[in-house]
Amino acid sequence: LAKTTQPISMDSYEGQEVNITCSHNNIATNDYITWYQQFPSQGPRFIIQGYKTKVTNEVASLFIPADRKSSTLSLPRVSLSDTAVYYCLVVPANDYKLSFGAGTTVTVRA
Amino acid sequence: NAGVTQTPKFRILKIGQSMTLQCAQDMNHNYMYWYRQDPGMGLKLIYYSVGAGITDKGEVPNGYNVSRSTTEDFPLRLELAAPSQTSVYFCASSQADRGTTEAFFGQGTRLTVV
Repeated sequence: LAKTTQPISMDSYEGQEVNITCSHNNIATNDYITWYQQFPSQGPRFIIQGYKTKVTNEVASLFIPADRKSSTLSLPRVSLSDTAVYYCLVVPANDYKLSFGAGTTVTVRA
Repeated sequence: NAGVTQTPKFRILKIGQSMTLQCAQDMNHNYMYWYRQDPGMGLKLIYYSVGAGITDKGEVPNGYNVSRSTTEDFPLRLELAAPSQTSVYFCASSQADRGTTEAFFGQGTRLTVV
């Protein structure tokens, strides 16, 4: 399994864009890149997944460079309710074993 | 849809006791997972299953057992509970063969071993 490295914490203010970069240098050819969000006392919730280039949904965008050794989750115009822990996962396509690291704690302030 | 249902929500066990954490999903998902999350830490995978009758160890399987006799249910058994097993336990399911890495999580079981 590819190891992921992401910042421990990030602070932001309401209305700003938050970008969280995850490093996964030994990602394999067929691995997916996936991001989850977790609020206190709740289970994680899927945000977005990608393989290469850019993926966008109603919640976030995921940017993946050509070498796929990193990825960046972008949260546009955050609000206080976006305060959460964000996890970057690399998921093998031949074994959907979801392994979570420590995540990035994002704190949004008024 | 109920999604992923975990029972109980809270439990206090004495050292050496045993218990089974129940997990049921009604989405006909093939993959199911058990995680534990200690305070301030990320989730650690205990066991997972790719379908009925098939289970595999995760990162921290010691002290736990699982079975998957049906698609819907994936119980986690704790034998001889120890204080180190005090944690929040999450069950999840996903339909992995559709090319999605989206898993759905239950609300968790908060277990305290005293």
